[in-house]
Amino acid sequence: AQSVTQPDIHITVSEGASLELRCNYSYGATPYLFWYVQSPGQGLQLLLKYFSGDTLVQGIKGFEAEFKRSQSSFNLRKPSVHWSDAAEYFCAVGAATGTYKYIFGTGTRLKVLA
Amino acid sequence: DAGVIQSPRHEVTEMGQEVTLRCKPISGHDYLFWYRQTMMRGLELLIYFNNNVPIDDSGMPEDRFSAKMPNASFSTLKIQPSEPRDSAVYFCASRGTSGRPAYSYNEQFFGPGTRLTVL
Repeated sequence: AQSVTQPDIHITVSEGASLELRCNYSYGATPYLFWYVQSPGQGLQLLLKYFSGDTLVQGIKGFEAEFKRSQSSFNLRKPSVHWSDAAEYFCAVGAATGTYKYIFGTGTRLKVLA
Repeated sequence: DAGVIQSPRHEVTEMGQEVTLRCKPISGHDYLFWYRQTMMRGLELLIYFNNNVPIDDSGMPEDRFSAKMPNASFSTLKIQPSEPRDSAVYFCASRGTSGRPAYSYNEQFFGPGTRLTVL
């Protein structure tokens, strides 16, 4: 079955600390992978996406993610977290061809301590 | 571009009433998606359209839900009659494909959502 797993429901980090949010997927076809961020009361904003090529992708707001096919993972990282990064983060997978539906993970809520 | 526009932003209604949510996609986008977000179920795709035609409505929970896209710049999601369990945030998203290389995958752009509360 196709699925996306974000094993951490909540993560708390101190401002300035590094961050890694985990995402594992199960997908029968070649996946396209995305990370979105949702601030309170807002819609989802795309942070970065992976189609092919370099497995380390850079996104907005200083975020990056690494695609590891052997581990079926697409973890999001940031070297130094800012208080404004507090939000909910969603990993999503889409098909390379055919349907354009996304499968979303359940999200990870990030809290940043001053 | 103004992005995806949804209205109303908040809706409070009583059980049994009809509710209509509205969405204006980004100009030029040919895909439109309706999602529902709840604490229990996360983000669920309800239905999506391509060139105003419904392609997949397998996520629509039941016959009380219906969606239309009469033209490229407007879509509605209607719940009739509404029930308390329909309380959620409903998002609309759009995606464009025209003019892109075949290997490119255009992301979905989300609206701010409509928070629906059914009493």
